[in-house]
Amino acid sequence: QKEVEQDPGPLSVPEGAIVSLNCTYSNSAFQYFMWYRQYSRKGPELLMYTYSSGNKEDGRFTAQVDKSSKYISLFIRDSQPSDSATYLCAAFGAGGTSYGKLTFGQGTILTVHP
Amino acid sequence: EADIYQTPRYLVIGTGKKITLECSQTMGHDKMYWYQQDPGMELHLIHYSYGVNSTEKGDLSSESTVSRIRTEHFPLTLESARPSHTSQYLCASSAGQGIRFNEQFFGPGTRLTVL
Repeated sequence: QKEVEQDPGPLSVPEGAIVSLNCTYSNSAFQYFMWYRQYSRKGPELLMYTYSSGNKEDGRFTAQVDKSSKYISLFIRDSQPSDSATYLCAAFGAGGTSYGKLTFGQGTILTVHP
Repeated sequence: EADIYQTPRYLVIGTGKKITLECSQTMGHDKMYWYQQDPGMELHLIHYSYGVNSTEKGDLSSESTVSRIRTEHFPLTLESARPSHTSQYLCASSAGQGIRFNEQFFGPGTRLTVL
């Protein structure tokens, strides 16, 4: 079983839609959770960073972590064509064998069409 | 924008050739990483380093080797390239301290094709 599972999509939505991207994880040692955005032929860039459970909002983006169900979500409001990219969830453990290393999900390909 | 550079961006090479993928960062980060990413697949960690003269193998077995002689430089070498090495190689670095100590900054990647 992969430590971080992510629905690869692809996901295609009209401009202005609310997008929900989801991941599940299995390693209880994970404490830090991130969402990276990767445009075509570019390296990933950090979009959202959360610690433990709860919500974090940044403009049109909201990251949500539910440690009880080991579920990570990213919501995009008022989606724009410029949001079209691959979104990768990642988790990081502060101890044990996962220390110092990010574990990535497979990535979800999102297309927002005008 | 993160100051981490990779060269070449694209490389097409024949089987059996020795290649070195370059990665440099100007942020003074101690930690550096190499990932392999195939289309539609997750990033797999193949090497990492926590500082000068420190290198470790990652979760995905790789025939490549790395060195860390200078803080800013983390090259990856394949002694004899094979078609199975065709992939995208991403380099990253992180500060290893501070509030977001595990935030990794990525380079643009090298897309390697071995014929």
